[in-house]
Amino acid sequence: EAQVTQNPRYLITVTGKKLTVTCSQNMNHEYMSWYRQDPGLGLRQIYYSMNVEVTDKGDVPEGYKVSRKEKRNFPLILESPSPNQTSLYFCASSFQGGVVNTEAFFGQGTRLTVV
Amino acid sequence: SQQGEEDPQALSIQEGENATMNCSYKTSINNLQWYRQNSGRGLVHLILIRSNEREKHSGRLRVTLDTSKKSSSLLITASRAADTASYFCATAYYGNNRLAFGKGNQVVVIP
Repeated sequence: EAQVTQNPRYLITVTGKKLTVTCSQNMNHEYMSWYRQDPGLGLRQIYYSMNVEVTDKGDVPEGYKVSRKEKRNFPLILESPSPNQTSLYFCASSFQGGVVNTEAFFGQGTRLTVV
Repeated sequence: SQQGEEDPQALSIQEGENATMNCSYKTSINNLQWYRQNSGRGLVHLILIRSNEREKHSGRLRVTLDTSKKSSSLLITASRAADTASYFCATAYYGNNRLAFGKGNQVVVIP
């Protein structure tokens, strides 16, 4: 089944403790991205990647890191999480060219709480 | 930056009725996409309409795009209880390869 898989689905952590949210897709998509969803603010892009070893900032990249060493994986790293990063996170992928050409496929989301 | 804005924000209808949502945006786009989200789960793509298209259909869904007014509408015909969800429009344009989402439209279909 074609899908985007995020792990973990739920995470509660403490301020300053580094964490990684993994994202993997099995559709051989070149484009992958991360979004966060907050009440009243909608979905905002954090980072995106057009292909392996190519990443770029989105609207709200501060406090996040990403890497794209393999085509299928696009982990989101929070080096020192803070309470304002409490949010619902989504990973998404698209075919070559990204969302300017085609639709995005979204993972099920990771609900992160930083205390 | 681009941003879709849906109107109205919340809609409650009876099963079998039609539901219409509108979306406006501010600048030129390459395409506009509609997504559905159930209760904080992942977004599911519904329809993509390109800037040179005016109307598109998919099953019970009909999307229109008016680039002169920078607006789009999503019509769900003969609604079902399973259509209860939040609906988002999102715009994309060259030079900025990301989706700019609106705040979402919450639709409740009463059986």
